[in-house]
Amino acid sequence: QVQLQESGPGLVKPSETLSLTCTVSGGSISSYYWSWIRQPPGKGLEWIGYIYYSGSTNYNPSLKSRVTISVDTSKNQFSLKLSSVTAADTAVYYCARGYLGPYCGGDCYDYWGQGTLVTVSS
Amino acid sequence: DIQMTQSPSSLSASVGDRVTITCRASQSISSYLNWYQQKPGKAPKLLIYAASSLQSGVPSRFSGSGSGTDFTLTISSLQPEDFATYYCQQSYSTPSTFGQGTRLEIK
Repeated sequence: QVQLQESGPGLVKPSETLSLTCTVSGGSISSYYWSWIRQPPGKGLEWIGYIYYSGSTNYNPSLKSRVTISVDTSKNQFSLKLSSVTAADTAVYYCARGYLGPYCGGDCYDYWGQGTLVTVSS
Repeated sequence: DIQMTQSPSSLSASVGDRVTITCRASQSISSYLNWYQQKPGKAPKLLIYAASSLQSGVPSRFSGSGSGTDFTLTISSLQPEDFATYYCQQSYSTPSTFGQGTRLEIK
Protein backbone atom coordinates (compact mmCIF):
# COMPACT_ATOMS: atom_id res chain seq x y z
CA GLN A 1 0.00 0.00 0.00
CA VAL A 2 1.44 3.33 -1.08
CA GLN A 3 1.78 5.87 1.71
CA LEU A 4 2.79 9.52 1.56
CA GLN A 5 4.01 11.61 4.49
CA GLU A 6 4.62 15.35 4.50
CA SER A 7 7.29 16.85 6.72
CA GLY A 8 8.59 20.34 7.39
CA PRO A 9 8.18 23.38 9.62
CA GLY A 10 4.69 24.22 10.78
CA LEU A 11 5.47 27.91 11.19
CA VAL A 12 7.13 30.17 8.64
CA LYS A 13 7.76 33.90 8.91
CA PRO A 14 6.40 36.31 6.30
CA SER A 15 8.74 36.87 3.32
CA GLU A 16 10.60 33.64 4.05
CA THR A 17 10.54 30.36 2.12
CA LEU A 18 8.21 27.50 2.97
CA SER A 19 9.90 24.10 2.50
CA LEU A 20 8.15 20.75 2.68
CA THR A 21 9.16 17.21 1.79
CA CYS A 22 6.94 14.27 0.92
CA THR A 23 8.29 10.78 1.54
CA VAL A 24 6.74 7.96 -0.46
CA SER A 25 6.71 4.46 0.99
CA GLY A 26 5.22 1.17 -0.15
CA GLY A 27 5.95 1.89 -3.78
CA SER A 28 8.41 3.52 -6.13
CA ILE A 29 8.32 7.19 -7.01
CA SER A 30 9.18 6.22 -10.58
CA SER A 31 6.63 6.33 -13.39
CA TYR A 32 4.19 8.65 -11.66
CA TYR A 33 3.34 12.30 -11.31
CA TRP A 34 3.61 13.79 -7.84
CA SER A 35 1.63 16.85 -6.82
CA TRP A 36 1.31 19.43 -4.10
CA ILE A 37 -2.16 20.69 -3.24
CA ARG A 38 -3.13 23.09 -0.47
CA GLN A 39 -6.26 24.00 1.46
CA PRO A 40 -6.56 27.21 3.51
CA PRO A 41 -8.42 26.65 6.79
CA GLY A 42 -12.12 26.22 6.12
CA LYS A 43 -11.72 26.70 2.38
CA GLY A 44 -11.39 24.69 -0.82
CA LEU A 45 -8.54 22.96 -2.60
CA GLU A 46 -5.85 24.62 -4.74
CA TRP A 47 -3.45 22.73 -6.97
CA ILE A 48 0.10 24.05 -6.61
CA GLY A 49 1.98 21.95 -9.14
CA TYR A 50 3.39 18.57 -10.01
CA ILE A 51 6.65 16.88 -10.91
CA TYR A 52 7.11 13.78 -13.00
CA TYR A 53 9.63 11.29 -11.63
CA SER A 54 11.97 12.24 -14.48
CA GLY A 55 12.06 15.82 -13.19
CA SER A 56 9.72 17.67 -15.55
CA THR A 57 7.41 20.09 -13.76
CA ASN A 58 4.14 21.96 -14.21
CA TYR A 59 3.06 24.76 -11.90
CA ASN A 60 -0.08 26.74 -11.21
CA PRO A 61 0.48 30.03 -13.06
CA SER A 62 -0.83 31.95 -10.05
CA LEU A 63 2.11 30.63 -7.98
CA LYS A 64 4.67 29.88 -10.66
CA SER A 65 7.03 32.74 -9.83
CA ARG A 66 7.36 31.51 -6.25
CA VAL A 67 7.20 27.71 -6.55
CA THR A 68 9.86 25.07 -7.05
CA ILE A 69 9.12 21.34 -6.91
CA SER A 70 11.98 18.86 -7.02
CA VAL A 71 12.37 15.08 -6.79
CA ASP A 72 14.97 12.79 -5.27
CA THR A 73 14.33 9.32 -6.64
CA SER A 74 17.14 7.80 -4.56
CA LYS A 75 15.26 8.76 -1.39
CA ASN A 76 11.75 8.27 -2.83
CA GLN A 77 10.99 11.88 -1.93
CA PHE A 78 9.78 15.04 -3.60
CA SER A 79 9.83 18.54 -2.21
CA LEU A 80 8.08 21.90 -2.37
CA LYS A 81 9.60 25.32 -1.94
CA LEU A 82 7.36 28.40 -1.89
CA SER A 83 9.18 31.69 -1.57
CA SER A 84 8.14 35.11 -0.25
CA VAL A 85 5.25 33.73 1.75
CA THR A 86 2.47 35.84 3.23
CA ALA A 87 -0.45 35.08 5.53
CA ALA A 88 -2.42 34.09 2.42
CA ASP A 89 -0.16 31.04 2.11
CA THR A 90 -1.35 29.67 5.45
CA ALA A 91 -2.92 26.32 4.63
CA VAL A 92 -2.85 22.58 5.03
CA TYR A 93 -0.41 21.32 2.42
CA TYR A 94 -1.00 17.90 0.90
CA CYS A 95 1.25 15.81 -1.27
CA ALA A 96 -0.48 13.40 -3.62
CA ARG A 97 0.21 10.85 -6.35
CA GLY A 98 -1.08 11.50 -9.84
CA TYR A 99 -3.14 8.59 -11.13
CA LEU A 100 -2.38 7.65 -14.72
CA GLY A 101 -5.86 6.46 -15.60
CA PRO A 102 -7.86 7.65 -18.65
CA TYR A 103 -8.77 11.33 -18.71
CA CYS A 104 -6.36 11.90 -15.82
CA GLY A 105 -2.90 12.31 -17.30
CA GLY A 106 -1.46 12.46 -13.82
CA ASP A 107 -3.95 15.06 -12.64
CA CYS A 108 -6.23 12.76 -10.65
CA TYR A 109 -4.93 12.05 -7.20
CA ASP A 110 -5.33 8.53 -5.88
CA TYR A 111 -2.99 8.57 -2.89
CA TRP A 112 -2.63 11.49 -0.51
CA GLY A 113 -0.56 12.36 2.50
CA GLN A 114 -2.36 13.23 5.72
CA GLY A 115 -1.57 16.91 5.22
CA THR A 116 0.49 19.33 7.24
CA LEU A 117 -0.65 22.74 8.47
CA VAL A 118 1.77 25.53 7.67
CA THR A 119 1.08 28.86 9.33
CA VAL A 120 2.71 32.04 8.09
CA SER A 121 3.15 34.41 10.99
CA SER A 122 5.83 36.49 12.64
CA ASP B 1 -8.45 29.06 -15.65
CA ILE B 2 -11.47 26.78 -15.94
CA GLN B 3 -13.99 27.59 -13.21
CA MET B 4 -15.81 24.71 -11.56
CA THR B 5 -19.11 25.48 -9.87
CA GLN B 6 -20.87 22.99 -7.63
CA SER B 7 -24.46 23.02 -6.48
CA PRO B 8 -25.74 22.98 -3.93
CA SER B 9 -23.07 24.32 -1.59
CA SER B 10 -24.65 22.39 1.25
CA LEU B 11 -27.25 19.70 1.49
CA SER B 12 -29.11 17.99 4.33
CA ALA B 13 -30.24 14.42 3.81
CA SER B 14 -31.14 11.27 5.71
CA VAL B 15 -29.64 7.81 5.74
CA GLY B 16 -31.08 5.88 2.84
CA ASP B 17 -31.77 8.94 0.69
CA ARG B 18 -30.68 9.26 -2.92
CA VAL B 19 -28.53 12.36 -3.34
CA THR B 20 -27.27 14.17 -6.43
CA ILE B 21 -24.57 16.83 -6.54
CA THR B 22 -23.98 18.88 -9.67
CA CYS B 23 -20.76 20.32 -11.06
CA ARG B 24 -20.56 22.73 -13.98
CA ALA B 25 -17.40 23.72 -15.85
CA SER B 26 -16.94 27.17 -17.38
CA GLN B 27 -15.95 25.51 -20.67
CA SER B 28 -16.10 22.03 -22.14
CA ILE B 29 -13.79 19.56 -20.41
CA SER B 30 -14.90 16.39 -22.21
CA SER B 31 -14.79 13.66 -19.52
CA TYR B 32 -11.85 15.11 -17.58
CA LEU B 33 -13.84 15.34 -14.38
CA ASN B 34 -13.11 13.74 -11.02
CA TRP B 35 -14.93 13.58 -7.69
CA TYR B 36 -13.43 13.49 -4.20
CA GLN B 37 -14.84 12.97 -0.73
CA GLN B 38 -13.26 14.76 2.22
CA LYS B 39 -14.02 14.18 5.88
CA PRO B 40 -13.01 16.69 8.59
CA GLY B 41 -9.30 16.64 9.30
CA LYS B 42 -8.62 14.12 6.55
CA ALA B 43 -7.20 14.20 3.06
CA PRO B 44 -9.58 14.00 0.10
CA LYS B 45 -10.32 10.56 -1.30
CA LEU B 46 -10.74 9.89 -5.01
CA LEU B 47 -14.20 8.45 -5.70
CA ILE B 48 -14.78 8.86 -9.43
CA TYR B 49 -12.41 9.66 -12.29
CA ALA B 50 -13.05 10.27 -15.98
CA ALA B 51 -16.56 11.46 -15.06
CA SER B 52 -18.00 7.99 -14.50
CA SER B 53 -15.26 5.49 -13.60
CA LEU B 54 -15.42 4.19 -10.06
CA GLN B 55 -12.08 4.20 -8.29
CA SER B 56 -11.01 0.84 -6.92
CA GLY B 57 -12.45 0.11 -3.49
CA VAL B 58 -15.21 2.74 -3.68
CA PRO B 59 -18.72 1.41 -2.96
CA SER B 60 -21.01 0.98 -5.95
CA ARG B 61 -23.64 3.31 -4.44
CA PHE B 62 -21.45 6.13 -5.78
CA SER B 63 -21.81 6.92 -9.46
CA GLY B 64 -20.88 9.76 -11.78
CA SER B 65 -22.20 10.95 -15.10
CA GLY B 66 -21.91 13.76 -17.61
CA SER B 67 -19.57 15.16 -20.21
CA GLY B 68 -18.75 18.52 -21.69
CA THR B 69 -19.72 21.08 -19.06
CA ASP B 70 -22.32 19.40 -16.82
CA PHE B 71 -21.64 16.55 -14.43
CA THR B 72 -23.34 14.82 -11.53
CA LEU B 73 -22.31 12.69 -8.59
CA THR B 74 -25.06 10.44 -7.25
CA ILE B 75 -25.13 8.48 -4.04
CA SER B 76 -27.91 5.94 -4.43
CA SER B 77 -28.58 5.21 -0.76
CA LEU B 78 -26.81 7.37 1.80
CA GLN B 79 -24.88 5.62 4.52
CA PRO B 80 -23.74 7.22 7.79
CA GLU B 81 -20.12 7.27 6.60
CA ASP B 82 -21.06 9.31 3.50
CA PHE B 83 -21.64 12.54 5.37
CA ALA B 84 -18.70 14.63 4.24
CA THR B 85 -17.72 17.36 1.81
CA TYR B 86 -17.53 16.50 -1.90
CA TYR B 87 -15.37 18.25 -4.48
CA CYS B 88 -15.30 18.03 -8.24
CA GLN B 89 -12.04 18.67 -10.10
CA GLN B 90 -11.16 19.14 -13.75
CA SER B 91 -8.04 17.50 -15.13
CA TYR B 92 -8.52 18.89 -18.66
CA SER B 93 -6.10 21.79 -18.55
CA THR B 94 -3.53 23.52 -16.37
CA PRO B 95 -4.11 24.64 -13.76
CA SER B 96 -6.20 21.78 -12.49
CA THR B 97 -9.09 23.37 -10.58
CA PHE B 98 -11.60 22.25 -7.98
CA GLY B 99 -15.16 23.19 -7.25
CA GLN B 100 -15.91 25.03 -4.03
CA GLY B 101 -17.27 21.90 -2.39
CA THR B 102 -20.66 20.54 -1.35
CA ARG B 103 -21.14 19.83 2.32
CA LEU B 104 -23.46 16.88 2.89
CA GLU B 105 -24.99 16.94 6.35
CA ILE B 106 -27.29 14.68 8.29
CA LYS B 107 -30.91 15.83 8.40
